[in-house]
Amino acid sequence: ETGVTQTPRHLVMGMTNKKSLKCEQHLGHNAMYWYKQSAKKPLELMFVYSLEERVENNSVPSRFSPECPNSSHLFLHLHTLQPEDSALYLCASSRETRASKLGYEQYFGPGTRLTVT
Amino acid sequence: AQRVTQPEKLLSVFKGAPVELKCNYSYSGSPELFWYVQYSRQRLQLLLRHISRESIKGFTADLNKGETSFHLKKPFAQEEDSAMYYCALIGDMRFGAGTRLTVKP
Repeated sequence: ETGVTQTPRHLVMGMTNKKSLKCEQHLGHNAMYWYKQSAKKPLELMFVYSLEERVENNSVPSRFSPECPNSSHLFLHLHTLQPEDSALYLCASSRETRASKLGYEQYFGPGTRLTVT
Repeated sequence: AQRVTQPEKLLSVFKGAPVELKCNYSYSGSPELFWYVQYSRQRLQLLLRHISRESIKGFTADLNKGETSFHLKKPFAQEEDSAMYYCALIGDMRFGAGTRLTVKP
């Protein structure tokens, strides 16, 4: 498969569950991102990884825990979520070097539609 | 505060009419702005970036630093242009709320 893939595409979980979202990119990129897209808010950047190091954490609650084991894979571990966390979670990747300021085009995955009950 | 504002949530035009999707930004440095588009049942994808000064699918966007704007324009809209359009401030990874464009036949 080419591009950016995300699994699962849909997830329903209770507030006490623990689950993980997975993202994989097949583009040879060095930077990966998690975004949250909810109905009432713009696309919100959650986390950025560059060369497997976290470079951005936008005041995201600790119930969201990212993991980037290598430059091709990105996870978002979820635990004790709230109903307001229900949203579409998008993963993206881009070509990036330490000399740049993340000014490259981002390639997005199809998203995981998360519902917290 | 750094911000991207797309004042119109919905925009509807007839085929062949000009279209302009507005984007205003607030940024303390030298901004780098992109337009992303999401067609129905497709993923978000880059449409164009200000630095390349290109025309993609007939769309252009000029950065106006005086007005802090980066409006997206097309002289003759087509039905296949119907989509969600997002303006993005790249240095800050900040997206606008999006404008849903509908081009009617």
